[in-house]
Amino acid sequence: DAKTTQPNSMESNEEEPVHLPCNHSTISGTDYIHWYRQLPSQGPEYVIHGLTSNVNNRMASLAIAEDRKSSTLILHRATLRDAAVYYCILGSSDFGNEKLTFGTGTRLTIIP
Amino acid sequence: DAMVIQNPRYQVTQFGKPVTLSCSQTLNHNVMYWYQQKSSQAPKLLFHYYDKDFNNEADTPDNFQSRRPNTSFCFLDIRSPGLGDAAMYLCATSRAFRRSNTEAFFGQGTRLTVV
Repeated sequence: DAKTTQPNSMESNEEEPVHLPCNHSTISGTDYIHWYRQLPSQGPEYVIHGLTSNVNNRMASLAIAEDRKSSTLILHRATLRDAAVYYCILGSSDFGNEKLTFGTGTRLTIIP
Repeated sequence: DAMVIQNPRYQVTQFGKPVTLSCSQTLNHNVMYWYQQKSSQAPKLLFHYYDKDFNNEADTPDNFQSRRPNTSFCFLDIRSPGLGDAAMYLCATSRAFRRSNTEAFFGQGTRLTVV
């Protein structure tokens, strides 16, 4: 299974943009890049995903490197509610092997 | 409205006594997953179903079994829980990625305590 590498922790000031990096140098052509976050005592929740092109949604933006070996999750204006563990995950779409395997994640702390 | 429901939220079981955790979904998704999450660790995939096809992770202990009687329900059976099996167990569902790679929905989890 392809693996992801993320910093263990990051801090950001409230109302400032946050860039969360992820390396996935062994990504295969059929792997999608997913981001989930987990707030304390809750199950993970979907943030965003993409294959090759940059993606935007109401929660965040995902910037994918041209060679797909890295990506960056961008929170445009962090709030205290964004404090969570953020997981970068490669979702295999190979037939019969579709699954999400979590990496170690980045614990994001928002400073008021 | 909750779309992936796990029962119970908290479960206490005795060492060695079989325990079953349940998960139901209202999304009609093909794929259902079971994850184990220990304190301060990332969720670890135990197994997943693609429809009725069962896919076991290579390092999932034999002590863990699963059943999926229909699309909506999935069960995690721990045959002889040990102290090391105390964890949060997370159920998730998704559509088949290869058709339209999409998000997974997680339940709130069941926190298992072994005494």
